[in-house]
Amino acid sequence: KNQVEQSPQSLIILEGKNCTLQCNYTVSPFSNLRWYKQDTGRGPVSLTIMTFSENTKSNGRYTATLDADTKQSSLHITASQLSDSASYICVTNAGNNRKLIWGLGTSLAVNP
Amino acid sequence: EPEVTQTPSHQVTQMGQEVILRCVPISNHLYFYWYRQILGQKVEFLVSFYNNEISEKSEIFDDQFSVERPDGSNFTLKIRSTKLEDSAMYFCASSRDNNYGYTFGSGTRLTVV
Repeated sequence: KNQVEQSPQSLIILEGKNCTLQCNYTVSPFSNLRWYKQDTGRGPVSLTIMTFSENTKSNGRYTATLDADTKQSSLHITASQLSDSASYICVTNAGNNRKLIWGLGTSLAVNP
Repeated sequence: EPEVTQTPSHQVTQMGQEVILRCVPISNHLYFYWYRQILGQKVEFLVSFYNNEISEKSEIFDDQFSVERPDGSNFTLKIRSTKLEDSAMYFCASSRDNNYGYTFGSGTRLTVV
């Protein structure tokens, strides 16, 4: 069964600190993996998209990694800001499926 | 930057009533999607639409749901007879191709009372 699991479920950090969010997926065939940021009450916004052949991709202070062998991905946030408080969702796209498979997300709170 | 626009942002309806959720996708996008997110749960796929027809739908998308692209710009989701469990955030998305570059709207919060 195609599935995406994320950890931790929630995380609280102080402004300026770094953090890493984890994603494990069981998706076949694998097409790509995305990380989205979702502010409360808003639509998801894409941070990174990685295909099978990519093992790291950065977008500003966000760096995503992908290990296709272990089917794991991580999202590293550097020098966190208050505006980083949001839900971060790991999403995959299996092969030619037109539907995305979503994780439950990690709720990140950045405190001053 | 181009946006996907959804209206209304919040709709309250009585159980059994019909609702139409509206979306204006990005103009040069060819693929359109509806997703929903029940409070505290994962985002769930409802339906994808390409070339004026449904290309895939989930088990959630039963006979109570329908989609339409009535005028070449709007993309609508209709729920014929709403149930309490239809209360959720409904997101429209569009993309230029099938694999990359999904852009989501801000969502419509549907509350069925």
